[in-house]
Amino acid sequence: GENVEQHPSTLSVQEGDSAVIKCTYSDSASNYFPWYKQELGKGPQLIIDIRSNVGEKKDQRIAVTLNKTAKHFSLHITETQPEDSAVYFCAAYKGGRALTFGSGTRLQVQP
Amino acid sequence: DTEVTQTPKHLVMGMTNKKSLKCEQHMGHRAMYWYKQKAKKPPELMFVYSYEKLSINESVPSRFSPECPNSSLLNLHLHALQPEDSALYLCASSQVAGESNQPQHFGDGTRLSIL
Repeated sequence: GENVEQHPSTLSVQEGDSAVIKCTYSDSASNYFPWYKQELGKGPQLIIDIRSNVGEKKDQRIAVTLNKTAKHFSLHITETQPEDSAVYFCAAYKGGRALTFGSGTRLQVQP
Repeated sequence: DTEVTQTPKHLVMGMTNKKSLKCEQHMGHRAMYWYKQKAKKPPELMFVYSYEKLSINESVPSRFSPECPNSSLLNLHLHALQPEDSALYLCASSQVAGESNQPQHFGDGTRLSIL
């Protein structure tokens, strides 16, 4: 089955800095890669996703890149703000099953 | 606000109780999911319903019994739970199950505590 590894497990940045979270996946048949943000006491919120026919996608301060050859995908957050503090999960999906999640990254943005 | 609504938000029950968790979505999605999430861990899939039929059961103990009365509603019936079942139970929905490129949208979960 699919295996998704996520790094780092914790990340602390100063407000205004950039944050990068990286994931690798094992199954080359995976073709959809969402990112979720989970705040305390809330469910995971989809913040951006990318499909395997695209190398990069941006939405304001958030971007995701995908390297299918290396089976890597990354989340980039620019100009971080305290409200970006949360746990972020990457996931991979190939159809037929549900999402396989990474282990999560706790991002703390210091004001 | 999330478009997937879960009730109750918190539930405390004894090991001999019977209770139900409820989930509702009005996005016209035909796939609904139950996940279990322990503290500091990612969500773990429990069940998938596709067009109101159970399509995936991830070897979940029979003390958890899912039900999908219609395309908008998903229930999880609980009976004789163990303390280790204490967790956040998340419901999610997507347009179709088994297809790629289908974003899943999560509710805020029910925080379950077993005494």
